[in-house]
Order: sequence, then C-alpha cells, then structure tokens
Amino acid sequence: NAGVTQTPKFRVLKTGQSMTLLCAQDMNHEYMYWYRQDPGMGLRLIHYSVGEGTTAKGEVPDGYNVSRLKKQNFLLGLESAAPSQTSVYFCASSYSQGVNEKLFFGSGTQLSVL
Amino acid sequence: GENVEQHPSTLSVQEGDSAVIKCTYSDSASNYFPWYKQELGKRPQLIIDIRSNVGEKKDQRIAVTLNKTAKHFSLHITETQPEDSAVYFCAARHTGDTGRRALTFGSGTRLQVQP
Repeated sequence: NAGVTQTPKFRVLKTGQSMTLLCAQDMNHEYMYWYRQDPGMGLRLIHYSVGEGTTAKGEVPDGYNVSRLKKQNFLLGLESAAPSQTSVYFCASSYSQGVNEKLFFGSGTQLSVL
Repeated sequence: GENVEQHPSTLSVQEGDSAVIKCTYSDSASNYFPWYKQELGKRPQLIIDIRSNVGEKKDQRIAVTLNKTAKHFSLHITETQPEDSAVYFCAARHTGDTGRRALTFGSGTRLQVQP
C-alpha cells in the first residue's frame, strides 16, 4: 500500500514549455486534489475531483488543466509554463464519509520555471 | 468563497512551554476544521480536527478549540518538545455544498521549539 505517489519529484522547465504531473493513489479514494505551496501563502487549491471523470476549479486554476480518466489517477498539466508557476505541488486524496475528510498527501513535486 | 487567516506566522517557544496558534474563517457555513503538521521537507499530515458541533477536542498534548460565534479556532500544544517543531496549517471546509468539497488552508505557522 503505497498511499499517494507523485511523479516527478523535481523538474526544471523553461518558460513556455509544457509538462504533466502525475498523481496516483491506491486507497480507492473518491476525492483527489492538487495544491500548490508557496512561502507565506500556505496551501492553495488548484483543481480537484470528486470522482472519476469529474473535475472542478479551486482557488488558483489559471494556467493549469487536470484530468481524472481513472479513479486512481489525477493528472495536472501546465500547457505553457510561466515563472509564477515555480512552486511545490502537492497532490492529495481523501475518502469522504460524513463530515470528516482526512487528506492523504503525496510527497510533493518541486517545480522551477526559468 | 472561504477565507482563512492564521496567526502568528512564526512562533518560538522554549521546550516545555505551551504554544497557541489561532485561525479565523469567513464562511459561517463552514463546519469542519482540521489542523495539519508539516515537518521540514515532508508532506502535511493531519494531527487533529474538530466539527462545528463540538467546542473543544483533545488528543494527548494537543487540543483544538472552536468558537462558532466569533468564527475562530485555535490549536494548543502543551509541554512542547523539539519534535513539535514544524509548520502548522489550519483549514476550514463547508461540507453542505456538493460543489465545494475542498479545504481552504491558512498561510501556516512555523513553530520552533528551543531545547
């Protein structure tokens, strides 16, 4: 049981390049999320999904796209990377039952856009 | 949408002292308030959470209090130890709207426990 796995762990891009971050979970969770973490700004929600085939925008969705074709995978795409997208990206998943919803986070992806 | 403010941004205490971190939220419909701890270079992990129908919850040396009227909640750590040093995030979520099943996080508090 690996939990939540993110790939890659590190990446350096040039402005304008594209890339896809992959998140995989083996806990059969319905909900999956992409957050970005910047110094002094906490964790900000980019996009999330409440089930296979669904996606929704979070607080800071501009410049990103997502897909949830399989329940266990949630992909985050950057079509044309910008320096403002330099950040640490965390994927998370949860199995929401009732009110409480514990998030299980991946180990993060450090992305630098030059 | 929900807005969560967290204070202080940094907190330094002596080992054995207590630490208190405070958060306020804007959406009165929010009803779930977790706290996450992130050690340096690691992923955030849930340490305690509270629902809106409860005023206080304790788990060993940590406790969370909630004041719904004032829309604020706090994390209390007693008898702090060096291993408590980390960044702590509060969060809030409204669970009644199927379109908003996601947490809004505060900006984080870096707690340093001096031995």
